[in-house]
Amino acid sequence: RKEVEQDPGPFNVPEGATVAFNCTYSNSASQSFFWYRQDCRKEPKLLMSVYSSGNEDGRFTAQLNRASQYISLLIRDSKLSDSATYLCVVNRAGGFKTIFGAGTRLFVKA
Amino acid sequence: EAGVAQSPRYKIIEKRQSVAFWCNPISGHATLYWYQQILGQGPKLLIQFQNNGVVDDSQLPKDRFSAERLKGVDSTLKIQPAKLEDSAVYLCASSLSAVTDTQYFGPGTRLTVL
Repeated sequence: RKEVEQDPGPFNVPEGATVAFNCTYSNSASQSFFWYRQDCRKEPKLLMSVYSSGNEDGRFTAQLNRASQYISLLIRDSKLSDSATYLCVVNRAGGFKTIFGAGTRLFVKA
Repeated sequence: EAGVAQSPRYKIIEKRQSVAFWCNPISGHATLYWYQQILGQGPKLLIQFQNNGVVDDSQLPKDRFSAERLKGVDSTLKIQPAKLEDSAVYLCASSLSAVTDTQYFGPGTRLTVL
């Protein structure tokens, strides 16, 4: 079993739709969590950090559930420009281990 | 502010040849990462430096891959000899310090091994 798992998708949604992705992690020592966005043939870029209390940035909401060991990303009112691969990132302080999920592909269509 | 610089952007070599990649992190960033991203997969951490010391190289195939970060700034990643399965994008990233900091990625080097 991989330490960080994501549904690879693809998710095909119409503009304006709400879509949610989950990411599960297996190591309870995981300390910090992020969502990165990667456009086709580009480098990953930070979308948002994920805090225990949850956080929101415009149309994007990220949440952490430590008990069930997953993080989620909710995108409201999807735009064509949201089409990308969304990567879940989990860090462990002990050993400074950084692990990326395989990514979830999102296609938003007009 | 200048981002993470990498070169070359593209490289095509034949199997069993050697290749080297260069990375210059954002000024002042103590932590530097090298990742391998195979098509359709997420980035896989190969090695992480804190200043010029190695923090994690557990996934670096040490029989053929090597990396160094002299003087705690620039870094080079070398593959010798290359195999077909090394075809991937090699991404360099840097962060200010701790593992909880945002990582900033360079544009990557796309390696094709024939």
